[in-house]
Amino acid sequence: DIQMTQSPSTVSASVGDRVTITCRANRTISRWLAWYQQKPGKAPKLLIYDASSLESGVPSRFSGSRSGTEFTLTISSLQLDDFATYYCQQSDTYPLTFGQGTQVEIK
Amino acid sequence: VELVDSGGSLVRPGESLRLSCVASGFTFDDYGMSWVRQVPGKGLEWVSTINWSGDSPGYGDSVKGRFIISRDNAKKSLTLQMNSLRVEDTAVYYCARRKAEFAEFYDYWGQGTLVTVSS
Repeated sequence: DIQMTQSPSTVSASVGDRVTITCRANRTISRWLAWYQQKPGKAPKLLIYDASSLESGVPSRFSGSRSGTEFTLTISSLQLDDFATYYCQQSDTYPLTFGQGTQVEIK
Repeated sequence: VELVDSGGSLVRPGESLRLSCVASGFTFDDYGMSWVRQVPGKGLEWVSTINWSGDSPGYGDSVKGRFIISRDNAKKSLTLQMNSLRVEDTAVYYCARRKAEFAEFYDYWGQGTLVTVSS
C-alpha cells in the first residue's frame, strides 16, 4: 500500500498567517493527490485535486503544489473559517490511502 | 447534489448490516461512487468503490471478502453489505461521489451513518 505521511500533525496559527501542510508519498503517485478539509461532525470537503487544481467554489487562498512525491497545501492568509483538520489522499493506486490529518488550531 | 446515508446501527460482532446511500440532484449513472469510513476522532479510511455501471468493484484490505458494494442506477442508490462485522469496523461511514469516472477524488459526500459493533 502507498503510505501518505502528513506533517505537521498540528499547526497553531493566527488569522492572516500563511499555513503550509505537507504530504509525502512513499512512492510515486504522479499528480494523483487531493486535499480535503473537515470540520467536527461534518463530512470532508474537497479543496484541491490533481495536486494543484482548485475545486469549484473553494477560495483562492487555498493552493496545492507538487515536487516529486512531496505535496503541499498552502493557505495564503488564514481565515476563521479555515480552522479545521486537513487530509491528503492519493488516488494513484488501490487501495486508496489518506494521510493521518493535520489539525489547524487557533494560536 | 445530495447524498443521504442511512442504515447505521448497533450490532454484535459477527452480524451483518446493510448501508444505503440515496443520491439526488445529478445523473447518478454518470458517476462512480465509493464508501469511506472514519473512526470517531480518527482519520479517514477508504473502504470500497464501484464504477458507474457496477462493474469492477474495489475494496480495502481490511474489508475485502466481508463487504460487498453494489448500486441500483434506476433507484439512484448505493449499497454496502457488511458481513462478519468486527469491533474494528466501528466507524462513521460516508458515501461519496467520484469527481469523474477515472478520478478517485470525492467532490460530494453524504452526512455519514454510524456503525457500532459491540458485544
